[in-house]
Amino acid sequence: GEDVEQSLFLSVREGDSSVINCTYTDSSSTYLYWYKQEPGAGLQLLTYIFSNMDMKQDQRLTVLLNKKDKHLSLRIADTQTGDSAIYFCAETLRTALIFGKGTTLSVSS
Amino acid sequence: DTEVTQTPKHLVMGMTNKKSLKCEQHMGHRAMYWYKQKAKKPPELMFVYSYEKLSINESVPSRFSPECPNSSLLNLHLHALQPEDSALYLCASSQLGQGGSPLHFGNGTRLTVT
Repeated sequence: GEDVEQSLFLSVREGDSSVINCTYTDSSSTYLYWYKQEPGAGLQLLTYIFSNMDMKQDQRLTVLLNKKDKHLSLRIADTQTGDSAIYFCAETLRTALIFGKGTTLSVSS
Repeated sequence: DTEVTQTPKHLVMGMTNKKSLKCEQHMGHRAMYWYKQKAKKPPELMFVYSYEKLSINESVPSRFSPECPNSSLLNLHLHALQPEDSALYLCASSQLGQGGSPLHFGNGTRLTVT
């Protein structure tokens, strides 16, 4: 069945790069997504990547996809305190999304 | 600001009450979703509507009853809930039929069942 795994916590200093990792199991997934959730809020779409791509860059965000290993990563350059949140990776399940457990990113100044 | 609007933001209800959660989007999306999220957990899929028809029900108890009156609105009717149903209920929408159709989420309704 489908399953998405993420490490639970990441702590970085302001200005450093953050790398959040994710593994997924469904090889038929065509799109993979990253969402951000701040306390008390809904999920904000950050970026997504098509499975035939290796990399996608969007301002401070870089997504890397290793389809052979079913590994997805999100790199945040120049991490700011406002980036502190929970980050979920997600893969498609029929017409919906299934989410990883989320990685809590803590940014200290 | 989110383009998916959910009301109310907070709801406290007793186990014998009947209440409804509402969700609205005006992006022309033809798929709408209900997710349930417990604290420190990922969102879990409850229901999916495609073209106003229920297409996925993830074995949700009948005390939760979804309704999609039109392509812009999605309701979740609640009746005889249990305290363990307390959670953040998230609505989302997406454009069907296009590759890479991400889900757009509302800010959720935080439900407390007493």
